[in-house]
Amino acid sequence: DAGVIQSPRHEVTEMGQEVTLRCKPISGHDYLFWYRQTMMRGLELLIYFNNNVPIDDSGMPEDRFSAKMPNASFSTLKIQPSEPRDSAVYFCASHTGTEAFFGQGTRLTVV
Amino acid sequence: SQKIEQNSEALNIQEGKTATLTCNYTNYSPAYLQWYRQDPGRGPVFLLLIRENEKEKRKERLKVTFDTTLKQSLFHITASQPADSATYLCASHTGRRALTFGSGTRLQVQP
Repeated sequence: DAGVIQSPRHEVTEMGQEVTLRCKPISGHDYLFWYRQTMMRGLELLIYFNNNVPIDDSGMPEDRFSAKMPNASFSTLKIQPSEPRDSAVYFCASHTGTEAFFGQGTRLTVV
Repeated sequence: SQKIEQNSEALNIQEGKTATLTCNYTNYSPAYLQWYRQDPGRGPVFLLLIRENEKEKRKERLKVTFDTTLKQSLFHITASQPADSATYLCASHTGRRALTFGSGTRLQVQP
């Protein structure tokens, strides 16, 4: 397996634009997590899914953020409209029991 | 609220010495704790897991302890090398199996 795959690796967008981040988890993993990492706040859990169903989205900062998992092999995190304070590295991770496997992350810059 | 904390932001040691990193948790009793390594520009990578009924776990030059009385885990790297320089994160599952991370400790091993 190629591991958790995220795209794009880098995204630069203007304030107010819609941003969509993508994640392909490892096949067979039934948990998928979205995290955001900044210097100030560290690695924050935004939302996670179990068997494609959102379980806890209490970490999603605002209604501007939404996440979907239409099937076991694909998830998206959307920010609409984006703001400069959304600039961060966004990670997707999957696991089936204990150990989590992370993607390379998407570095988002909102100008 | 449930918290997992790493109080040291950074640790500098000389090559060959033992690095000791600390992770504390409050207001919950995790069934296990995990340790991850993160290099710049990359996602965290799993290193070790220790269960609450295990006092100590070893993997090559790595050793992790779990003290449920002190509510603390210690992560040791013996005979440290410059290649061990990275950020080390502890993590545990909190309610509903959400994987929550500490803020990380940046280790710098000087040659």
